[in-house]
This record gives sequence, C-alpha cells and structure tokens, in this order.
Amino acid sequence: GQQVMQIPQYQHVQEGEDFTTYCNSSTTLSNIQWYKQRPGGHPVFLIQLVKSGEVKKQKRLTFQFGEAKKNSSLHITATQTTDVGTYFCALQAAGNKLTFGGGTRVLVKP
Amino acid sequence: DGGITQSPKYLFRKEGQNVTLSCEQNLNHDAMYWYRQDPGQGLRLIYYSQIVNDFQKGDIAEGYSVSREKKESFPLTVTSAQKNPTAFYLCASSQTAGSNQPQHFGDGTRLSIL
Repeated sequence: GQQVMQIPQYQHVQEGEDFTTYCNSSTTLSNIQWYKQRPGGHPVFLIQLVKSGEVKKQKRLTFQFGEAKKNSSLHITATQTTDVGTYFCALQAAGNKLTFGGGTRVLVKP
Repeated sequence: DGGITQSPKYLFRKEGQNVTLSCEQNLNHDAMYWYRQDPGQGLRLIYYSQIVNDFQKGDIAEGYSVSREKKESFPLTVTSAQKNPTAFYLCASSQTAGSNQPQHFGDGTRLSIL
C-alpha cells in the first residue's frame, strides 16, 4: 500500500522563526491534503494540492506540491504560539480513503 | 466541526465487554469514516462507508464492527476481540466518496480499559 513519511517528527521552534515540514510518498500522488490537530483536539482540514509544482498560501503558511507529485512541504514563517499542534499530510487513495502521515509535532518556545 | 457529533467524549470498557461509539453528522455527507489515533501517532483507518447500507474495512478493522443504516449515523462497536482498544477514536465525513473532498472530523471519543 501507499507509504507516507513526514519529517521531522518533532519540531521545536523559537517564536518568530520559520520552519518547514516535509511529506514524502513512495508513489506518485493524485493530490495531497494537509490537516492541523491542536493538542487535545481533532484534525482540521487546511488545504489540498492537486497540480504538479502547485504553491498555495494561507497567511503565514505556504504549501507546495513537488514537481514529480511525490512530495509536499509546509513552510511556516514567523512562528506564533497559535501554530502549536501536529501537522499531518494525507494522501488520497481509491474510494476517497486517506492515508495519513505520522505528523510533525510543533512546539513553540516563547 | 459543529456538523459531526461524537459521543461519549470519554468511555471506559471492562474486559470482555463490547462498547459502541456514536457518530452523527448533519452535513448531508455521503461518506463517513472511523479512525483510531494512538498517543503521538497518526490516524489509522478502521472502517469507512461511501453510502448508506454499505461499508468497507480499512487498515485495522479486526476487533471492530460498524453499521450504516442511516445517512446521518455511523456507529462503531469495539468488540471484546479488540485486545488493545485504548485509543482516541475519530469519526469523519466527506461530501462524497471517490472525489477530492476534505474530511470533517468530530471531537473524538477517548476509550480506556478499566
């Protein structure tokens, strides 16, 4: 089946700094979704990428889909305490099934 | 998400007992899903349903059962065959199956063994 790896598993960031988390697949993807889960909460859909090389921005968050559609990245600029949580990428499979990555857990140091 | 209600929020199971987790949605979504999340881990798919009266096994269906008698409801039963049921259970829905739809999640149920 599809394999998805997210790196890093943990990200400790100083408030105000930038960081990037990566999602890598063993197969070419039709699309990729990103979710955020706050501590103690449930995943919330952030964005979906479909096209090769696609870049989408949401305020301080920049999402990119690789040219080969096998990887994706999430870059956060000027990290704030509100960015704390786990960021998951999810790969679309047949029947609208999603395969979730293990997530990147983000901790922000004030 | 306000459109998906999971209950109870916390649930305790005794050895050898079956328990049922409720999931109700008022989003008029066709597809519904159950995921299991262990501490510090990602989400693993247990069962999913693309339409009423139909459901398929996910990646970790053993020890679980579901039904989809109504569009709004997709209850999950954790049977006594599931030897390690302690986890956070998340229900989700999407507008349709087979297309690129985001999934909307409920607040989850935390199940523990007494």
